[in-house]
Amino acid sequence: ILNVEQSPQSLHVQEGDSTNFTCSFPSSNFYALHWYRWETAKSPEALFVMTLNGDEKKKGRISATLNTKEGYSYLYIKGSQPEDSATYLCAVTRGFQKLVFGTGTRLLVSP
Amino acid sequence: DGGITQSPKYLFRKEGQNVTLSCEQNLNHDAMYWYRQDPGQGLRLIYYSQIVNDFQKGDIAEGYSVSREKKESFPLTVTSAQKNPTAFYLCASSRGDAYNEQFFGPGTRLTVL
Repeated sequence: ILNVEQSPQSLHVQEGDSTNFTCSFPSSNFYALHWYRWETAKSPEALFVMTLNGDEKKKGRISATLNTKEGYSYLYIKGSQPEDSATYLCAVTRGFQKLVFGTGTRLLVSP
Repeated sequence: DGGITQSPKYLFRKEGQNVTLSCEQNLNHDAMYWYRQDPGQGLRLIYYSQIVNDFQKGDIAEGYSVSREKKESFPLTVTSAQKNPTAFYLCASSRGDAYNEQFFGPGTRLTVL
């Protein structure tokens, strides 16, 4: 059974704070890791897909790193803004065309 | 605009009734998926389809059925055999390539009364 763990479960920060959260997964048979952002009342939106150990991806103030040998990925948000408030989902590819999702990290950014 | 639509947004059903959730995509994607979300749990895969007229069970298929008669459509039927159907249901699609980036619809919240 492939288990994807995310921490923390929720996070409350002030506008301007930088924050990060973790996704852990079994390192064996790794293929790809996905980060999604899910805002309230909207559809989950893909942020990054990463496949190689040491991969780093960046989109604006959001970046992610991947360590496939030890089985974790970090998502960083620099200078959090209220519009960053969302649930951030991590998912790992399991077999062809199937994803296993973590429970998500719920981020709230207060003005 | 290309995207995925799900209808209805909210659905109420009496216990013992079957109900069908709609999912349509105009992204020309080969693969489509149904997930269920419950509080405190990650998205769990119900069924998926890689091509038209073919579909496979996911992790929690019991009490559900699907069809894939057209590339654009992947309806999910929640049958009376599903013991705890109240949940939020998400549909997704992907190109079906190895990296499998999935695109999601807005979801349907089903409540059984």
